[in-house]
Amino acid sequence: GESVGLHLPTLSVQEGDNSIINCAYSNSASDYFIWYKQESGKGPQFIIDIRSNMDKRQGQRVTVLLNKTVKHLSLQIAATQPGDSAVYFCAEISGNQFYFGTGTSLTVIP
Amino acid sequence: GAGVSQSPSNKVTEKGKDVELRCDPISGHTALYWYRQSLGQGLEFLIYFQGNSAPDKSGLPSDRFSAERTGGSVSTLTIQRTQQEDSAVYLCASSRQGTGYEQYFGPGTRLTVT
Repeated sequence: GESVGLHLPTLSVQEGDNSIINCAYSNSASDYFIWYKQESGKGPQFIIDIRSNMDKRQGQRVTVLLNKTVKHLSLQIAATQPGDSAVYFCAEISGNQFYFGTGTSLTVIP
Repeated sequence: GAGVSQSPSNKVTEKGKDVELRCDPISGHTALYWYRQSLGQGLEFLIYFQGNSAPDKSGLPSDRFSAERTGGSVSTLTIQRTQQEDSAVYLCASSRQGTGYEQYFGPGTRLTVT
């Protein structure tokens, strides 16, 4: 079956620095990828998505990069703020199926 | 506007009992998803409803799990004869249309089976 995994379970960054969260996926046929943010005690919140025909997509302070050659997805957060502290999940969508990674816990140090 | 709501927020039940979890999606959203999140694990897809189409039940872990969506809106996830391994947070999400559209998640129902 498919697997979506994360390279690092935890990440600590200084406030104001940039953060990079990585994700590996296994299904080369997946056509859509999403990053979610989940704060403690809350449901996941959509951050940004990217389709498989794109390499890069930018949002407000966030950028998602997709490298289909090595089946790698990354989320870049610019000027990380304390409010960015949360668990970040990547999701891989193939047809109607969603596969989520276990998440990376991001801690922002003031 | 109102987001996705779920009830109850917490449910403690004895092994062997049946439970019903409710999800109220965002008004107008045609797609509804149920997920399970176990401690330290990623989200596990359970079931997907899209409009009046037959639901995609491929993620349901056993025949003890079932879900309904009445009138294309409210959904109920039922777990019969609960087991301790059913303990998890059950999350519901809805989206404007089908897969490929942004999903909005509810706060989840924390189920504890004793």
